Amino acid sequence: EPEVTQTPSHQVTQMGQEVILRCVPISNHLYFYWYRQILGQKVEFLVSFYNNEISEKSEIFDDQFSVERPDGSNFTLKIRSTKLEDSAMYFCAGGLAEETQYFGPGTRLLVL
Amino acid sequence: GENVEQHPSTLSVQEGDSAVIKCTYSDSASNYFPWYKQELGKGPQLIIDIRSNVGEKKDQRIAVTLNKTAKHFSLHITETQPEDSAVYFCAAIRGNLIFGKGTKLSVKP
Repeated sequence: EPEVTQTPSHQVTQMGQEVILRCVPISNHLYFYWYRQILGQKVEFLVSFYNNEISEKSEIFDDQFSVERPDGSNFTLKIRSTKLEDSAMYFCAGGLAEETQYFGPGTRLLVL
Repeated sequence: GENVEQHPSTLSVQEGDSAVIKCTYSDSASNYFPWYKQELGKGPQLIIDIRSNVGEKKDQRIAVTLNKTAKHFSLHITETQPEDSAVYFCAAIRGNLIFGKGTKLSVKP
């Protein structure tokens, strides 16, 4: 059964550094998402992506964040200048339609 | 915007007992309600979902009920097993998924 994969599984970075989190969604999915989960808290929506453009973003997704699907398979989340409060699990998700979303295993980001 | 409340935050049951987790939502236009199971260190796994034109859906030991009038929906797990121990999240969709805060279910052997 196909799965969403994410790399790296863990990332440690210094405050102010750029990070790129990578996701390989299931190949026939059309809708893509990034969510984050701060330790012990609920999963929060960041951004949705469809037809090669952002369809919706939350207030968390400010100018420091960007997403890209450069080659039709990878889906990336870039944080330009990380802050301490960006430390969280970041989940990629995808689906054939807007509703049913399948999540990847996540990348644990720690900003020091 | 949509707001999803989930109760209880923790739930401990004996193996074989039933577990019920309840959620309420605020936006009457929400029309899709999935439930996710998250095991330690893993991503949320979709376990069951229900659409607003259906009142109940069952899949083996798991069932979900939806009351549109009251704007609440519930997850029912029967004959619980230790491997059911995890954090369960409800969600509602109105554009994008809005999650509840989660319920940590512990099933004691």
